[in-house]
Amino acid sequence: GAVVSQHPSRVICKSGTSVKIECRSLDFQATTMFWYRQFPKQSLMLMATSNEGSKATYEQGVEKDKFLINHASLTLSTLTVTSAHPEDSSFYICSARQFWGNQPQHFGDGTRLSIL
Amino acid sequence: QKEVEQNSGPLSVPEGAIASLNCTYSDRVSQSFFWYRQYSGKSPELIMSIYSNGDKEDGRFTAQLNKASQYVSLLIRDSQPSDSATYLCAVLSYNTDKLIFGTGTRLQVFP
Repeated sequence: GAVVSQHPSRVICKSGTSVKIECRSLDFQATTMFWYRQFPKQSLMLMATSNEGSKATYEQGVEKDKFLINHASLTLSTLTVTSAHPEDSSFYICSARQFWGNQPQHFGDGTRLSIL
Repeated sequence: QKEVEQNSGPLSVPEGAIASLNCTYSDRVSQSFFWYRQYSGKSPELIMSIYSNGDKEDGRFTAQLNKASQYVSLLIRDSQPSDSATYLCAVLSYNTDKLIFGTGTRLQVFP
C-alpha cells in the first residue's frame, strides 16, 4: 500500500521550456502533498506544501510564479516549472501523506530534470 | 545546532553484521520520527516510523526512540550488500507540520 506515482521520470529540454510533473497517490487519498528538490550529494529541500483544493504554501526563497503547483484532487498534484533554465536542473521529488500530520510521507520515484 | 543531526559516514560493516545508525534532534516536543532509505539516484523509501519511546521491530530493522535524550536510532540486523544506501532520519516538526531531514548516513555493507 501507499504507492505514489510520479511522472515523467526524466526530462531533458531546452532553456525556456515549461515542464509539468505529475504526482499521483494510487491507493490512498492524499490530503497533503509535498514537493522537494534535491541537488547531488545534498539532502532533500522542501519547496512547497499543497493541500487539496487550496493554494500551495511555498518555502522561503522558492518563487511561486516559477514553480506552479496545483492540487486539484485528493490523488493528484502537479508541479510546473515555468521557463526553465539550466540552474533549475535538479531531482524533483513529490511525496504524499494521508490524513493527519503524523502519518508518514510516501515518496514518488522522482523526476530528473535537465535543462540544456 | 542542526535540527536533525546524523553522522554522514560512510559506515562500513561486513555482511551479516549489525549496522547501527544514529540520529539526534533538537525539538523537544517532536512526536513523530521516520527512517527512510535512499539508494543513489533514487527517491527515499520509508523503512520505519516510530512514535513512542522504546523499540519497534520490523523484520531485520529495529527503530529505537528515546525522547528524553532526543535520540532515535535504526538497527539493521544481518546486514546485506543490498542494504548499502543512504539512510535519512526525519522528524516531524510539531510547530510547522513539516518533515525535517537529517543529511543522511551512508551505509556500506561489504561482502
